[in-house]
Amino acid sequence: AQKITQTQPGMFVQEKEAVTLDCTYDTSDPSYGLFWYKQPSSGEMIFLIYQGSYDQQNATEGRYSLNFQKARKSANLVISASQLGDSAMYFCAMRELGNQFYFGTGTSLTVIP
Amino acid sequence: GVTQSPTHLIKTRGQQVTLRCSSQSGHNTVSWYQQALGQGPQFIFQYYREEENGRGNFPPRFSGLQFPNDSSELNVNALELDDSALYLCASSLRQGLNSPLHFGNGTRLTVT
Repeated sequence: AQKITQTQPGMFVQEKEAVTLDCTYDTSDPSYGLFWYKQPSSGEMIFLIYQGSYDQQNATEGRYSLNFQKARKSANLVISASQLGDSAMYFCAMRELGNQFYFGTGTSLTVIP
Repeated sequence: GVTQSPTHLIKTRGQQVTLRCSSQSGHNTVSWYQQALGQGPQFIFQYYREEENGRGNFPPRFSGLQFPNDSSELNVNALELDDSALYLCASSLRQGLNSPLHFGNGTRLTVT
């Protein structure tokens, strides 16, 4: 089974609107971390936000928030007030107690002026 | 930040290649990922204090080194066409669950 599933290959959002990018994960470990990364066309992976499996509150970082629903094993990224510079690929990732990160296949976000 | 060289590389099937990475200062963990076109990054291996301490589902012809000066290498022998990908180096401050990876811009390898 896939560790990380991102079911939206592409998403469009109007500038200044909010958008939700979906992510579900699969693990039997009680301890894990969930991450979101942004990858512009330049190729660099930019860390956006982190959520720990034991965190009671949803993580927020500026315009980014993570909607963490542990029972449903989902960790959706919400971007508020979208900007043109938000157009990029977005990857959800998980880290278990081992050393590797598992990444999803990504969602391409396009912000429309 | 994390820097990688070269940015682009073209090799012929069967050749060997070395990719280089300079980690963020103070980061003692470096890992390498392969990102095929249209896919998410796949874990190759991780080094902690110059020793490999994790490996993904990649054959032994993928090998690496980490040096005391925050630099590291990824070596790939006997290149195959499927090795064409973006290779990402990432470093992290520690190995805890909450420690994010900090990535370089990657090296785009094309095998012909």
